[in-house]
Amino acid sequence: QVQLQESGPGLVRPSQTLSLTCSVSGGSIRTNSHYWTWIRQPAGKGLEWVGRIYTSGSTTYSSSLKSRVSISIDTSNDQFFLNLTSVTAADSAVYYCARTSYFDSSDYSVTHEAYDIWGQGTVVTVSS
Amino acid sequence: EVVMTQSPATLSVSPGERATLSCRASQSVNSNLAWYQQRPGQAPRLLIYGASTRATGVPARFSGSGSGTEFTLTISSLQSEDLAVYFCHHYNNWPPRYSFGQGTKVDIK
Repeated sequence: QVQLQESGPGLVRPSQTLSLTCSVSGGSIRTNSHYWTWIRQPAGKGLEWVGRIYTSGSTTYSSSLKSRVSISIDTSNDQFFLNLTSVTAADSAVYYCARTSYFDSSDYSVTHEAYDIWGQGTVVTVSS
Repeated sequence: EVVMTQSPATLSVSPGERATLSCRASQSVNSNLAWYQQRPGQAPRLLIYGASTRATGVPARFSGSGSGTEFTLTISSLQSEDLAVYFCHHYNNWPPRYSFGQGTKVDIK
């Protein structure tokens, strides 16, 4: 079955760029049925949606991070990436990649979306 | 931005008893509401989408209800493996709007 695995540096210096990779295995990232999403979780806190990318390269970002975040995709290698610039301690978190899937309601009037597959997460600390 | 507020922050329930978790939206989100379970040290796991539809493989003791601004996740008979933090999540594909509640921690009494 499809699995996701995050990778990248665990320590990033303030003002530098955080770069993470999510590798997809057990299936192709080249699917018309899914978005590929980044979500983060500061230690002891709740979840924050960061952004998503489609196979075509179309992206959507959190309004609070939009000026600093970019997500890209490499369909040849079944990977997608997160770049977050000008990081501060507030960006320290566990970063998860997840697959977004879509489900029709029983009467097909609404399409629901959900993160049905997650990576195990990678801890990123911003510190000098 | 839609603000999702969960209550209580912590819930202590004895094994076999019912657990009821609440999630309130600051404005109507129709049925665009999902629930996720996060066990200690693990990634979140999808439980419910569309406010009331169980995801594949989720035990029947988990049920979701509600629409508009008030939602409930019920665990009908708590098991030890249900020790976790539960998050509600509002999603709106277009225009893209996503927000999580702050979570309810379920302890085994």
